[in-house]
Amino acid sequence: EDQVTQSPEALRLQEGESSSLNCSYTVSGLRGLFWYRQDPGKGPEFLFTLYSAGEEKEKERLKATLTKKESFLHITAPKPEDSATYLCAVQANEYSGAGSYQLTFGKGTKLSVIP
Amino acid sequence: DTGVSQDPRHKITKRGQNVTFRCDPISEHNRLYWYRQTLGQGPEFLTYFQNEAQLEKSRLLSDRFSAERPKGSFSTLEIQRTEQGDSAMYLCASSYPPEGGELFFGEGSRLTVL
Repeated sequence: EDQVTQSPEALRLQEGESSSLNCSYTVSGLRGLFWYRQDPGKGPEFLFTLYSAGEEKEKERLKATLTKKESFLHITAPKPEDSATYLCAVQANEYSGAGSYQLTFGKGTKLSVIP
Repeated sequence: DTGVSQDPRHKITKRGQNVTFRCDPISEHNRLYWYRQTLGQGPEFLTYFQNEAQLEKSRLLSDRFSAERPKGSFSTLEIQRTEQGDSAMYLCASSYPPEGGELFFGEGSRLTVL
């Protein structure tokens, strides 16, 4: 069974204080790993897709990286508007035996950036 | 393009009643998904449609849940004989191949079962 574990559950940063969020995953065959951002009362918003170990993606103050067992979301010099819950999800490939179109999400990391 | 639209946004019902949620995906997206999210948890997959065909359904999905997507456009999710454990946010998402994991989510329909 695919599993995604995110840490920490909550993170409180001062504005400008860089940090990283962790996503550890177990999947029989990885098709892709995804990062989403979710604001309170809203649906998740897509951020990044990573397909293979060593891959990196960047968007503004966010950078996502991938190894064979985990992914990191690095936040550089965060601003209060970066406050949200960040969700990690994996998608198994068609050879895993599980449905290949479903995403398995972690519980998320709730990030608060204090001015 | 107005994004994924869900209706109603909030529904309060009594235990044992039936409820139905509607989702209108982004018009050119042929893939549609339903997820459920409870407080403090990540979204949990329920079911997936490609056009009008329901191709995947969670093994955890009770027989009280049914989803349709007639004509491959909007979709409905019906919950029969609701239970308090059904209280959750029901999220609809759509996507267009080949980006299978890049989902566009709606704002969700929040269900409260009393």
